[in-house]
This record gives sequence, C-alpha cells and structure tokens, in this order.
Amino acid sequence: DAGVTQSPTHLIKTRGQQVTLRCSPKSGHDTVSWYQQALGQGPQFIFQYYEEEERQRGNFPDRFSGHQFPNYSSELNVNALLLGDSALYLCASSLATGTGHLEQFFGPGTRLTVL
Amino acid sequence: AQSVTQLGSHVSVSEGALVLLRCNYSSSVPPYLFWYVQYPNQGLQLLLKYTSAATLVKGINGFEAEFKKSETSFHLTKPSAHMSDAAEYFCAVSSGRFGGSQGNLIFGKGTKLSVKP
Repeated sequence: DAGVTQSPTHLIKTRGQQVTLRCSPKSGHDTVSWYQQALGQGPQFIFQYYEEEERQRGNFPDRFSGHQFPNYSSELNVNALLLGDSALYLCASSLATGTGHLEQFFGPGTRLTVL
Repeated sequence: AQSVTQLGSHVSVSEGALVLLRCNYSSSVPPYLFWYVQYPNQGLQLLLKYTSAATLVKGINGFEAEFKKSETSFHLTKPSAHMSDAAEYFCAVSSGRFGGSQGNLIFGKGTKLSVKP
C-alpha cells in the first residue's frame, strides 16, 4: 500500500518564478492538506481540498493556490516566488468519513529553494 | 484561536533515561491533540492521538501521552530512551471550521530530541 507521495523531491527556483508541486494521497483517502515548514519551525497549514474544492485555508496570500483532481491527487501552485517561500512543503491525506479522519498521513515533502 | 506551545526547543537525554517532551495547548473547544515525529529529511509520522476517549494515550515505539485538561497539557513520555528516538517531535492541535479532527492541524515549533550513548 503506497503512502502519500510527493514530487519533485527538491526544487530550485528564482524570485518571481512560478512553481507547481504535486501530491498523490494514500490509497482510499479523499482529502488533501498542504503545509509549509520553514527551517526550524513547525508546519503551517496552507489549505485543504475535499471533493475538488478548497475547504479551508490558512493565513497565506493568494499567490498560493491549489487544485484537486477527480482521482484525489492535488497540486500546490505558488506564483511570484519570494525568498521567504523557501521551505519544505508537506502534503497530508486523510479520509473525510469514519474514524479514519482522525489521522493525517504525511508525505516526505518537497524542498523548495528560492534564490 | 487554538495554539500549541512546546517547552524546550532541544532536549538531550542519555540512552535508557526517561524522555519527557512538554506540550501545552490553548483551545476554546474540546481539542483533538496529536504528537508527530520527524526524522531528518523525512515527513511527519503520527506517534499518538487524543480524541476525547482515554486520557492516557499509548502510541507507537513505546511512547505515551497524558491529556490533562486542568493543566491544558499533553506531555509526551517514554520510560527508556533509545538511540533511534533521536528526531524532532511536534505537538499539534486540530482546528478548522469543520471542527475536531477534520480541521487543519496547528503545530508547535517542535522539540529536537538528542539521545546520548
């Protein structure tokens, strides 16, 4: 049973560019959440997708956008990159119903470096 | 608003010694509380969770945590540290307008655990 997978593993961009990060949830999961983890900090919630719609959003600017596909996979897009966007981006999946919703499974993350 | 405070950014223990990692939370509603572990260059792995059932929660790898409402605490303990326990540990509380566990997680800043031989 494959867990949560993310691609790419590492990414280097320059200021002003745009980036797309991808996430495949754990088999059977229908909810995907994205988190940003800056160096030395805990993860911060960006947004959550369920049924292809953004269900919740954290305190992040509109430069951060996302999408969920019918197969529940998800993308995180960041426009007009800033140096401060350098971080580990974590994807987490969960099940919206039953007791499975109590646990979010995290992927290994994508390390984004903005130069 | 909900928040989590982890006391001590670094904790060092000797192998075989007691591990105690502290977490205090703030929540206006009954919280769901979690402890995650992160090994270098990896994602987060759930150690244990409190979901308003038993106040003493047992998790994986011999860890446990006790929910104390009066102290708003959810400290993580392990009786005997092992070298493989060296990692960063995050306490988290769930939030979000959908409430409870379907909401997003709010994390503390983490505690890095070192284990000396």
